Amino acid sequence: DTGVSQNPRHKITKRGQNVTFRCDPISEHNRLYWYRQTLGQGPEFLTYFQNEAQLEKSRLLSDRFSAERPKGSFSTLEIQRTEQGDSAMYLCASIVPGQLNTEAFFGQGTRLTVV
Amino acid sequence: GQSLEQPSEVTAVEGAIVQINCTYQTSGFYGLSWYQQHDGGAPTFLSYNALDGLEETGRFSSFLSRSDSYGYLLLQELQMKDSASYFCAVSSGYSTLTFGKGTMLLVSP
Repeated sequence: DTGVSQNPRHKITKRGQNVTFRCDPISEHNRLYWYRQTLGQGPEFLTYFQNEAQLEKSRLLSDRFSAERPKGSFSTLEIQRTEQGDSAMYLCASIVPGQLNTEAFFGQGTRLTVV
Repeated sequence: GQSLEQPSEVTAVEGAIVQINCTYQTSGFYGLSWYQQHDGGAPTFLSYNALDGLEETGRFSSFLSRSDSYGYLLLQELQMKDSASYFCAVSSGYSTLTFGKGTMLLVSP
């Protein structure tokens, strides 16, 4: 499978706990995005990497959220001190290098439920 | 910032033609994309328009008018499997890809 892979697919956690999600993009894609999606809404931009550099973060991203892409390959998204409002689908997408945002390849997402 | 408007829901019958409109406000516009998402699935790319006019890909076509900040997705010969959510998304350079709230398409027999 050469698509975008996300793990875990589902995560249930208690409020206040920390969680970490992983995204493995398509190998030759140097641009990687994290989005959050809630029921009935479109994907909401969280952050963007080009190789290992985090170039953009949404103003909506609180200090409890942090993302890394240490070697320009896989990426992790950590949420500290989770709140019920963090419950959502977290999507990762990657884009072919050198192109404008013409086609983003999405993973299946990690569904987070905070109880 | 960017904002996109699209209808929340559209219904149609099998074999029909349906048009899903999208209006946008953005700075640094590069192009308009369309994505399809089935329940529980990942968004998948359908089409991209950078220039004014119509792009056709099989049963799906997408149109853009940059001067009107408007585009639409046209689905022809509707099939039950086309029931899904459809999102328009604006590209503002190499970084930002901003999605609308989505249009749920319900296709009935």
